[in-house]
Amino acid sequence: DAGITQSPRHKVTETGTPVTLRCHQTENHRYMYWYRQDPGHGLRLIHYSYGVKDTDKGEVSDGYSVSRSKTEDFLLTLESATSSQTSVYFCAISEQVNQPQHFGDGTRLSIL
Amino acid sequence: AQTVTQSQPEMSVQEAETVTLSCTYDTSENNYYLFWYKQPPSRQMILVIRQEAYKQQNATENRFSVNFQKAAKSFSLKISDSQLGDTAMYFCAFMKPFTGGGNKLTFGTGTQLKVEL
Repeated sequence: DAGITQSPRHKVTETGTPVTLRCHQTENHRYMYWYRQDPGHGLRLIHYSYGVKDTDKGEVSDGYSVSRSKTEDFLLTLESATSSQTSVYFCAISEQVNQPQHFGDGTRLSIL
Repeated sequence: AQTVTQSQPEMSVQEAETVTLSCTYDTSENNYYLFWYKQPPSRQMILVIRQEAYKQQNATENRFSVNFQKAAKSFSLKISDSQLGDTAMYFCAFMKPFTGGGNKLTFGTGTQLKVEL
């Protein structure tokens, strides 16, 4: 299994609060991704990173920001959480640009 | 933009039988990659099989094989000798190659497969 750890695994918070999800990898892969999974939508890309301090937006980036200050960590931040951001969040990594992505175990986030 | 369609929300199969999950996609690209991922109740996303569009030969991984029809933009997954552990949500995914900026997966909405005794 790819060495990917997401934390926390579960979180419940209130509308308007900031939330940060962490993805930590031990594979030294260059590429990291954040997806959200919602019923009827499959997984959708939020943001991705192609190196330290190099990030870009995915298809559902509104309301989210990311940071990558070192190779092994990719943080996803919800500055002011809304109920529409209740979802399961997955981190993924890939070694090369055209290699398969391997996923972490996901974080279930509930915003009340 | 690419789209991926899985038209079978749910399927069931008897243990030891064969089942085929359908996936179609829309793209104007000539070179790309296709994947099937499995998500069991544990919520993990597990790579099942991968196909490069430039390869005519269909990919195979043990009991899992694909039928890749490039002209028809179809990418079905066949599971042979189904086992109870194959019960899971299966996602088809498309990847357009990028250079430098990272590769983005576009997922279908999934097919829930139940293997029954």
